[in-house]
Amino acid sequence: NAGVTQTPKFQVLKTGQSMTLQCAQDMNHEYMSWYRQDPGMGLRLIHYSVGAGITDQGEVPNGYNVSRSTTEDFPLRLLSAAPSQTSVYFCASTLKGTGGGYNSPLHFGNGTRLTVT
Amino acid sequence: DQQVKQNSPSLSVQEGRISILNCDYTNSMFDYFLWYKKYPAEGPTFLISISSIKDKNEDGRFTVFLNKSAKHLSLHIVPSQPGDSAVYFCAALTGGTSYGKLTFGQGTILTVHP
Repeated sequence: NAGVTQTPKFQVLKTGQSMTLQCAQDMNHEYMSWYRQDPGMGLRLIHYSVGAGITDQGEVPNGYNVSRSTTEDFPLRLLSAAPSQTSVYFCASTLKGTGGGYNSPLHFGNGTRLTVT
Repeated sequence: DQQVKQNSPSLSVQEGRISILNCDYTNSMFDYFLWYKKYPAEGPTFLISISSIKDKNEDGRFTVFLNKSAKHLSLHIVPSQPGDSAVYFCAALTGGTSYGKLTFGQGTILTVHP
C-alpha cells in the first residue's frame, strides 16, 4: 500500500520557470490538499479538493494552480516560480468520513523540497 | 495572524522522563485538535486528537489535554523514548466539513536523550 506518493523529491528552478509537482494516492480518498512548510510558519494550506472536478483555495494560493481530473491525482502547478516559493511541499489526503470527517486524519506524502534561485 | 501557536521551538528531555509540548490558539471556532509527529525527510503522521467536548484523551504513552477557557492544549509523553525525537505539530479544525483544512502551529522540536 503506497499511500500518498509525491514526485519529485527535490527540484531546483530558476525564477520564472514553471513546473508541476505530482501527487497520487491509492486509498480512494475523496479529499486531497497541498500544504507548504516554511521555517517558523508551520504548514499552510495552498489548495484543496473535495472530489474529482472540485477544487478550492486555501490560505496561500497565489502563484499556484491545481486541477483534479481523477480521484487519485492532484497535481500542483507553479506558473512562474519565484524565490518566495522556495519551500517544502506536502500533499495530503483523507476520507470525507462521517460527522464532518473528524475521524479521518490527513495522510501526508513525504514532501517535495523546492528551491527557486 | 498565527491562529495556532507553539511558543517553544524546541524541548530537550531525558529518556524515561515526561515530555510536555504546549499549544495555544486564538480562534474560538476551533472545535477539534490534532497532534502530528514529523521525522526528517518524511511527511507528518497523525498522533492523537481531541474534540472540544472533552478535556483529555489518552492513547498509550500519549495524552492530550484541552483547556478551552484558556484556549490551550498540551501533549504529554510518558515515558519519553529516544524514538520520540521529532518535530511535533499542533493543528486545529473548525466545525462542519472542514475535515482537511487544518491550521497548524509552527512546530516544536523534541529531543529525547538516552
